[in-house]
Amino acid sequence: QVQLQESGPGLVKPSGTLSLTCTVSGGSISSFYWSWIRQPPGKGLEWIGHIYYSGSTNYNPSLKGRVTISVDTSNNQFSLKLTSVFAADTAVYYCARTSYGSASNDYWGQGTLVTVSS
Amino acid sequence: DIQMTQSPSSLSASVGDRVTITCRASQSISSYLNWYQQKPGKAPKLLIYAASNLQSGVPSRFSGSGSGPDFTLTISSLQPEDFATYHCQQSYTTPWTFGQGTKVEIK
Repeated sequence: QVQLQESGPGLVKPSGTLSLTCTVSGGSISSFYWSWIRQPPGKGLEWIGHIYYSGSTNYNPSLKGRVTISVDTSNNQFSLKLTSVFAADTAVYYCARTSYGSASNDYWGQGTLVTVSS
Repeated sequence: DIQMTQSPSSLSASVGDRVTITCRASQSISSYLNWYQQKPGKAPKLLIYAASNLQSGVPSRFSGSGSGPDFTLTISSLQPEDFATYHCQQSYTTPWTFGQGTKVEIK
């Protein structure tokens, strides 16, 4: 059974960098896409971007070049960096496995709340 | 970006009711539509992928239909564990986008 677990700081200062890592267990990170999705408190879901195990990426243009997703196949992990954060970036951040054909997210981490505040 | 609009935003229903949730895309997305269930404080769970395919392990009372811009999620007989928020997501083109969610509450 594939499991994903997010890790990283729960509090980031405004203008700082949000950094999260997702560790995949129970399966290889090789093949499949791997996504980051966030959900502000009380609001809907927003796709941040995804990475293929080979390293190719696709990001949501709404984040205006602030996002970088990377993969570490040797440790079965992928990571998210979001720079120049502000209060509107406060959200629960989820990592997920994304199937290639349907681009559906079939396995999710439990999510981690990141608050942007001084 | 493709806008996804769900209706209703919320509904009240009783155990045993047939429940239908709709999702409309701002343009045709063929069958690139997925449905998720989310309970409070939990991650979303994939129910239906590619409009009408039941994810492994999901009860058969859930079904999906539609293509182009209009899609439907149906719960044939609502069970106590089905009270949750349901989200649709288009995967036709990036940025992948979600509907605003439909909250199914106990009547």
